[in-house]
Amino acid sequence: SYVLTQPPSVSVAPGQTARITCGGNNIGSKSVHWYQQKPGQAPVLVVYDDSDRPSGVPERLSGSNSGNTATLTVSRVEAGDEADYYCQVWDSSSDHRVFGGGTKLTVL
Amino acid sequence: EVQLVESGGGLVQPGGSLRLSCAASGFTFSSYSMNWVRQAPGKGLEWLSYISYSSSTIFYADSVKGRFTISRDNAKNSLYLQMSSLRAEDTAVYYCARDRVTVSGDYYMDVWGKGTTVTVSS
Repeated sequence: SYVLTQPPSVSVAPGQTARITCGGNNIGSKSVHWYQQKPGQAPVLVVYDDSDRPSGVPERLSGSNSGNTATLTVSRVEAGDEADYYCQVWDSSSDHRVFGGGTKLTVL
Repeated sequence: EVQLVESGGGLVQPGGSLRLSCAASGFTFSSYSMNWVRQAPGKGLEWLSYISYSSSTIFYADSVKGRFTISRDNAKNSLYLQMSSLRAEDTAVYYCARDRVTVSGDYYMDVWGKGTTVTVSS
């Protein structure tokens, strides 16, 4: 089955840029989607199809995908961005949805 | 407002059964495929199951295949997850989520419920 690898944690000071990676074999050939989950809350879709944002998601959150790594970039980080972030793809060989292990973004 | 509301969680003994429900509102439920996703305490998200809008296509994660059954009733705008032979490791918050497809044919989940908690313990 397809495996997605995320760093457990990323820390950044307010106003700086956070980059959260999602690694997978030739992940650039897939569409990657990102979810934000704040403590005690349900996940929320923040980026889909590599780089598209649902309405209401600030432009500070952006996505890219190439080669073996997809990246969620959070620019001008704010305290409210502190959350767990999960990447997800569709594994066409099994028709399963696959999540990465999640990355905790800490705002210092 | 598009909304998904899960219910049916609770405390169940190992080996027992439980049926979760997900009530949809604010959109045409019969036009969308749906998923169940769970999150064990302190752990990440785990996709469990998918059902197409017409119930004609169903998939399960290996961890629940043969023990869990997904179903839906479009007339009642409801999604279900019948869970049996429950184990301690099934303890989690269970979410239902609406399925969407990209122009390139990949799948993601754009609307999530708040979840219902299942605890498997004696």
